[in-house]
Amino acid sequence: RKEVEQDPGPFNVPEGATVAFNCTYSNSASQSFFWYRQDCRKEPKLLMSVYSSGNEDGRFTAQLNRASQYISLLIRDSKLSDSATYLCVVNNVNRDDKIIFGKGTRLHILP
Amino acid sequence: DGGITQSPKYLFRKEGQNVTLSCEQNLNHDAMYWYRQDPGQGLRLIYYSQIVNDFQKGDIAEGYSVSREKKESFPLTVTSAQKNPTAFYLCASSIYKDSYQPQHFGDGTRLSIL
Repeated sequence: RKEVEQDPGPFNVPEGATVAFNCTYSNSASQSFFWYRQDCRKEPKLLMSVYSSGNEDGRFTAQLNRASQYISLLIRDSKLSDSATYLCVVNNVNRDDKIIFGKGTRLHILP
Repeated sequence: DGGITQSPKYLFRKEGQNVTLSCEQNLNHDAMYWYRQDPGQGLRLIYYSQIVNDFQKGDIAEGYSVSREKKESFPLTVTSAQKNPTAFYLCASSIYKDSYQPQHFGDGTRLSIL
């Protein structure tokens, strides 16, 4: 199993729809989880940290499922500007706590 | 405005040439990182530094070198030993050396071979 795994997509979703994608991780001892957004040919930008209790920021909701070892990102009322690649990030306690980036899920919001 | 500044934005390297990518941060962050991203691929860690005058190899350190003489600066040298240097290079920093704090990125340097 890969350390951090994401469906590469692309997810093609009509504007206004709700979309969700997951990210699985292999190390059950992982403690830190983040979602980043990366636009084409740009740097990744922190979207949100993921807490055990789940967290919400406007239209975005992130959740952690430790039992099944995955985190999720839900986007409600999607906008054209949400089109981007979403990177899942997890720390790896077996590798000096280094952060591992997933390869990302591409999201296209269609007008 | 605090942030991470990478320069140059675009860089071209000739065969056999060493080139240095600059990364400066004024966020007072302890840890700094260099990543490489190839088209359609994830980020791969080249080197990281948790404190001044100390740094560790990441997953793909061969052909690269770094220094951390100042807290604010973490330059990356791509040496001639790196046979396939064409990529998007990203510098990041975080407030603490542990992984519980998110990393923040500069806007990257695109390196190409002439």
